[in-house]
Parts: sequence; structure tokens; C-alpha cells
Amino acid sequence: QLTQSPSSLSASVGDRVIITCRASQGIANSLAWYQQEPGKAPKLLIYSVSTLQHGVPSRFSGSGSGTEFTLTISSLQPGDSATYFCQQLGSSPYTFGQGTKLEIK
Amino acid sequence: QVQVEESGPGLVKPSETLSLICTVTGVSISNGQWCWVRQPPGKGLEWIGFLYDSGNTNYNPSVRSRVTTLVDVSTNFFTLKLSSVTAADTAIYYCARLLFGIRGLGLDVWGHGIAVTVSS
Repeated sequence: QLTQSPSSLSASVGDRVIITCRASQGIANSLAWYQQEPGKAPKLLIYSVSTLQHGVPSRFSGSGSGTEFTLTISSLQPGDSATYFCQQLGSSPYTFGQGTKLEIK
Repeated sequence: QVQVEESGPGLVKPSETLSLICTVTGVSISNGQWCWVRQPPGKGLEWIGFLYDSGNTNYNPSVRSRVTTLVDVSTNFFTLKLSSVTAADTAIYYCARLLFGIRGLGLDVWGHGIAVTVSS
């Protein structure tokens, strides 16, 4: 089971934003992050905790180990307004966190 | 460029079987691992299961007794069948490619999703 926090947040352009994902047990560092804009499919941002997917801006980064992981947006941009999900792929079923809705002030 | 696209009926009656197809282009389906994910209206993502090695499957226990997936290598698509559907199965259904190393890495190619409503 994955628990994301916060469930929602509002931040200003240029802010540093951190979203946390906690696993109920170890997941062998098999954690991915996705961005989902309204009405669209999710988009892979980061896999294996900290590896940036091709084409994803470097302001996105991931870190963590064991059971606690974070997604950081170093300088929030207007287009970053979306819902963010974590997913564990350490053991089947490959469950998702409940999502964090990020709004731009 | 690898692409996937879902197709199938948007309306299914309760107790019947939901059937969807995911067409893969840009790569042979035998050269990848493929999965289904769904998202009920206004809610989060739910993992349904994945197919690997052109026929092996791994399903979420929440749907395992009702789900069947098949791969058709000759026409490069895979399918999802979910039996005995109820209103709780109403969702947007996505197919996606699963990147896999020693363990799963992430879903890097997604379809646009297909909205399926279960209603009489």
C-alpha cells in the first residue's frame, strides 16, 4: 500500500514543491512517479526512484529509499498544474498512490 | 515511435463481459510487456494486470477471478475481458507499455484511454 501526502496543495510559480509517497513495506526501490493533466493519460516522469524519463524537465527530481520517497519540483511552472501519482513496482500488484492534486496560485 | 490505442464499446450492461482491445504500433508486441490500468470517475489509478513473454499474465487479486487477457502476436494487439461487471467497473481503461528491468520500472507509453460505463 502506498500513501501520498499531501492529497492536495496550492503553490506559486517559482516555489519548490515536495510530494511524499510512503510504502507500507519495502519495495526494492522500484518506484515511479506520473503526472496526469485533466482529461489526459498519465505521463511517466521518474522511474527507479530517481531516474528522469527522457524529455522530462530537470526541475523534476525523485529521491528516497526503503519506504519513503519524494518527488520534488524545484521551481514550479504554470504547466505543472496536475495530479501526481506514485506507483510501486516492487511486488505485484503494482499499486498506485491515491494522488496529489497540485494547483497553481 | 511506440504507440498504443484502446478500442471497444463504451457501454456494457451489468453482469455482462467488458471486452477491450489495445493495438500496439511501432514495435512488435512480443518485444515488450503490456498492461491494463483503470481509473474510476474522479478517482485514482487501479492496476489491473500485465502480460509478458507473449502470453504469461499477472493480475491484481481484486479482479483476478473475473479477468482474462490475451496477446495476438500476428496482429500486434492484446485484449482485456472482464466478466460479471457492475457499476463499480465504470472507469476509464488505459493500456500501457510496462518497462521492465530486473523489476518493473514504470509505464512509459499510454493510450488515450477509453471510457466504459456499466449501465442497463
